[in-house]
Amino acid sequence: SQQGEEDPQALSIQEGENATMNCSYKTSINNLQWYRQNSGRGLVHLILIRSNEREKHSGRLRVTLDTSKKSSSLLITASRAADTASYFCATGQRAGSYQLTFGKGTKLSVIP
Amino acid sequence: DADVTQTPRNRITKTGKRIMLECSQTKGHDRMYWYRQDPGLGLRLIYYSFDVKDINKGEISDGYSVSRQAQAKFSLSLESAIPNQTALYFCATSEIDRADTQYFGPGTRLTVL
Repeated sequence: SQQGEEDPQALSIQEGENATMNCSYKTSINNLQWYRQNSGRGLVHLILIRSNEREKHSGRLRVTLDTSKKSSSLLITASRAADTASYFCATGQRAGSYQLTFGKGTKLSVIP
Repeated sequence: DADVTQTPRNRITKTGKRIMLECSQTKGHDRMYWYRQDPGLGLRLIYYSFDVKDINKGEISDGYSVSRQAQAKFSLSLESAIPNQTALYFCATSEIDRADTQYFGPGTRLTVL
């Protein structure tokens, strides 16, 4: 069964706006990751946040993690048409664990 | 990611046929994985391999088998394809000491008629 559940399932915004996606999970984790998938292509790793971290930045990406609420959010600032993709959260239960559990994804459309 | 390649990229086959999907990587990673993705769903793990001699079942291994021919090659077989195996299949790799982050191939779209 899926560990992570993204919300919303789909999001449509204008270019230049910020996009926020949320992920909730059920059990304790060691880390949470976000991946991007362009239509019909493989997933690309974006950012990883560990359970002892609360916030992390990478370029226009900002990820937060609230372990008490078992939730994470991904913020993309100043969105671009090229950000149009599906975004998945994936949880790792143990440090160095091989096994990631993926959510169903949020489909983001950025309108030029 | 060009470092992880999958062949074929698209395949249409008939029920009952044996199909092999191949994955090659030049990243030098020890760990390799096979996932399937169905429309509107996340990825589900089929098999994973820590090295050539270590192969393990994932969440949904029934109806599938794998072969790790070398560190760089990991193949997925459907012995007798059925329509509900129609999906997008992804191969992924990870480093042995940074197994958290996985690197994905471009995927194989398989249709079983």
